Amino acid sequence: NAGVTQTPKFQVLKTGQSMTLQCAQDMNHEYMSWYRQDPGMGLRLIHYSVGAGITDQGEVPNGYNVSRSTTEDFPLRLLSAAPSQTSVYFCASSYSTQGYEQYFGPGTRLTVT
Amino acid sequence: AQSVAQPEDQVKVAEGNPLTVKCTYSVSGNPYLFWYVQYPNRGLQFLLKYITGDNLVKGSYGFEAEFNKSQTSFHLKKPSALVSDSALYFCAVRDITSGYSTLTFGKGTMLLVSP
Repeated sequence: NAGVTQTPKFQVLKTGQSMTLQCAQDMNHEYMSWYRQDPGMGLRLIHYSVGAGITDQGEVPNGYNVSRSTTEDFPLRLLSAAPSQTSVYFCASSYSTQGYEQYFGPGTRLTVT
Repeated sequence: AQSVAQPEDQVKVAEGNPLTVKCTYSVSGNPYLFWYVQYPNRGLQFLLKYITGDNLVKGSYGFEAEFNKSQTSFHLKKPSALVSDSALYFCAVRDITSGYSTLTFGKGTMLLVSP
């Protein structure tokens, strides 16, 4: 049972490049989400999914796309990277959206130059 | 809208002393409340949660938190701090009356425990 896995761990992009951050969970969780963590700002929700085929926007969705074709995978796509997207990105999953705690991946540290 | 406030950016305590990390919340309905801990270069780990029932909730590593509805607070406590408790702590809230509502995190409080 690997829990929540994220790849890559580190990434450097040039402005305008695109890339996909991968997230997978093996706990059969319905709810998955992407956050970004910036100093002094806590975690901010980018996108989330309550099940395969269902996604919705969080607090800071601009510049990011998601899809959820399977229960296990929830990739985050940066369409055209900008320096403002330099951050640490965390994927999380939970059994449902109610009283269940979220399990977090180890994070991806992204730098956009 | 739901929100969480962690009024202290940093809390310093000496090993062996009790510690408190403060959290207040705002929701339109009833809250689910959570505490998470983040060690350097790691993801967040779940510590404890309040869903319903007893206002004093016990969690991992000897931590506990008290839900106070009248003060809209959910402070994290530990009777005797350890140096290894030094980490970044996040409080989070979900409004249970909002259907598929999202989890809102506070900005985090850095706990520093000195030997």
